[in-house]
Amino acid sequence: GAGVSQSPRYKVTKRGQDVTLRCDPISSHATLYWYQQALGQGPEFLTYFNYEAQPDKSGLPSDRFSAERPEGSISTLTIQRTEQRDSAMYRCASSLLVNTEAFFGQGTRLTVV
Amino acid sequence: AQTVTQSQPEMSVQEAETVTLSCTYDTSESDYYLFWYKQPPSRQMILVIRQEAYKQQNATENRFSVNFQKAAKSFSLKISDSQLGDAAMYFCAYRSVNPSGTYKYIFGTGTRLKVLA
Repeated sequence: GAGVSQSPRYKVTKRGQDVTLRCDPISSHATLYWYQQALGQGPEFLTYFNYEAQPDKSGLPSDRFSAERPEGSISTLTIQRTEQRDSAMYRCASSLLVNTEAFFGQGTRLTVV
Repeated sequence: AQTVTQSQPEMSVQEAETVTLSCTYDTSESDYYLFWYKQPPSRQMILVIRQEAYKQQNATENRFSVNFQKAAKSFSLKISDSQLGDAAMYFCAYRSVNPSGTYKYIFGTGTRLKVLA
């Protein structure tokens, strides 16, 4: 695609529910990142994929967070048993290779009520 | 672990004037990339400029230029002839190039730039 596409753009969920966020990277981009950005803060690294491999998931804040990229293209980020502190903008980025420039999507704003 | 610090939460500049946003970082690596990203009210993340650490020459993109001081671990962004459309949050970011390390971006906390007409 022309750019990194994320869906939904906005998500409101009740505390305790599970949510799944989707990222569609730029076509043929091997590397895909997930970031969490709280209001007024810079993006914080969650995890990244190189094709379908997930070399680094050190930024995932708890085992309630998981990400997948089973076919090396589209990725999902799932948050189980959501908590209010999970409210943030979740950004996806992709790059052609692991050491080239990353392009960011518009993000998904998650609000847990 | 690498860190990125932006010590100016907010800056203001008069339209057509020049402003410099500061960024310092900490790393033990010798090679890396540094970036400035712009986040307008739409909350997109737009790459403004990037610098490879092994290059001594400061990067320039039209009205945007950097002052990269590797020994001081400083990476400031200069915006010349400021325009109203430059108003945004600006993030400084670091990325490793070490093949055995992670390629994650590490961001600062941002500087909000206001442009006064």
